[in-house]
Formats: sequence, C-alpha cells, structure tokens
Amino acid sequence: SQKIEQNSEALNIQEGKTATLTCNYTNYSPAYLQWYRQDPGRGPVFLLLIRENEKEKRKERLKVTFDTTLKQSLFHITASQPADSATYLCAPSNDYKLSFGAGTTVTVRA
Amino acid sequence: GAGVSQSPSNKVTEKGKDVELRCDPISGHTALYWYRQSLGQGLEFLIYFQGNSAPDKSGLPSDRFSAERTGGSVSTLTIQRTQQEDSAVYLCASSSGVAGGQETQYFGPGTRLLVL
Repeated sequence: SQKIEQNSEALNIQEGKTATLTCNYTNYSPAYLQWYRQDPGRGPVFLLLIRENEKEKRKERLKVTFDTTLKQSLFHITASQPADSATYLCAPSNDYKLSFGAGTTVTVRA
Repeated sequence: GAGVSQSPSNKVTEKGKDVELRCDPISGHTALYWYRQSLGQGLEFLIYFQGNSAPDKSGLPSDRFSAERTGGSVSTLTIQRTQQEDSAVYLCASSSGVAGGQETQYFGPGTRLLVL
C-alpha cells in the first residue's frame, strides 16, 4: 500500500538559516506532489505544487524538488523567520484524493 | 467571505450517539472533500463530491459514516453510533473543480470531535 514518510523529528532552527524537510513515498508513482502548511488549530494551507516532469520549483523563499527516481521531495525554507514556524505536510498524489504525510513541525528561533 | 467554514468547531459526544458535521465550501467551488486527521497521523481522505456526479466514498472507514451535499453547496458528514476511535479532527476542503486532481484544495478550520 502507499506509504508517505516525512522527517520523523521536529526541526528546530535559528532564524536566517535554511530549513530542509524530506518527504519520501513508496509503492506508487505520483504525478505531482503538493506541500501544505498547517498552523495549530487550523486547516492546511496550500504552498506549492510540483509535477513529475519538473525537477524544481520556487516561490519566494520556498524551494521544492521532486526526484521520481529516489521517490523523494525536498522542501527548503531559506532565510527562515519565526513566522515560518508551523507543521509542513507533503501530499504526493495522482488525483483529487490527496494522501498526506504526518507532517514535520518546524520551529524557527529568533 | 470567503473561506471554507465548518461547524461546530468542537463537538463532545458520548459513545453510541450520532453526530452531524457541517461544511460550507467557497462559493462557486464545485468540488468538496472530507478528510480526517487523527493525532499524530496524516490527513486521511474520506469522501469527494464533484458537481452532480456520484460521490467517491472510497475513503469512508465504515458504514457508520455517510455524507451528503445538498444543492451542490453545503455538505454534512454524519457519523452514526460514534466510537472512541472516531475522535479526530474532521476537515472539509473545496476546490474549483476545473483542473481535476491538480488544483489547490482550500481547507476549513476543522471540527474537533471527541467521543467519550
């Protein structure tokens, strides 16, 4: 069955540093992969979508890579800020039925 | 207006009771989704509505769960004879429905259900 794994540990980083989050998937080949941000007590908010034929995508301080050979996506937050503290969810999917990882919680210290 | 709204925000019920959770999608969105998020778990797909098509119920965990969408807008998720393992956050999302599976889903704040 499909399995999605994100960094098992929470990530604590210093403001200004780059946070790198990992999303690994097994037993399927998603056509695209979405990343969402979730704050406590709130629903997820869409950040980026990358397709299987795209190697990298950027949006402001965010960068996502998608390696279909390794079955892995990396999510980078550059020049991190305390406001970036949240849980980040990846969703590698082939259709509308999004399958999410459990998320990685990032805390950025001022 | 704008975003997806859900009610109630919190619900505490006793085991064996029925509960109804409501979702108001973004106006004009034809696609509506329900997910469940248990503590420490990823979001789990439950059901999908798209326009007038038959809903995709493949994610519903048991026949105690059902959902309907009236008039192509508001949706209600019903859980009958609730069990303690039903305790979770139930999230609703909507999308424009024009780009198939590759479109952004907009989530509501969720309903936190606790079954005692």
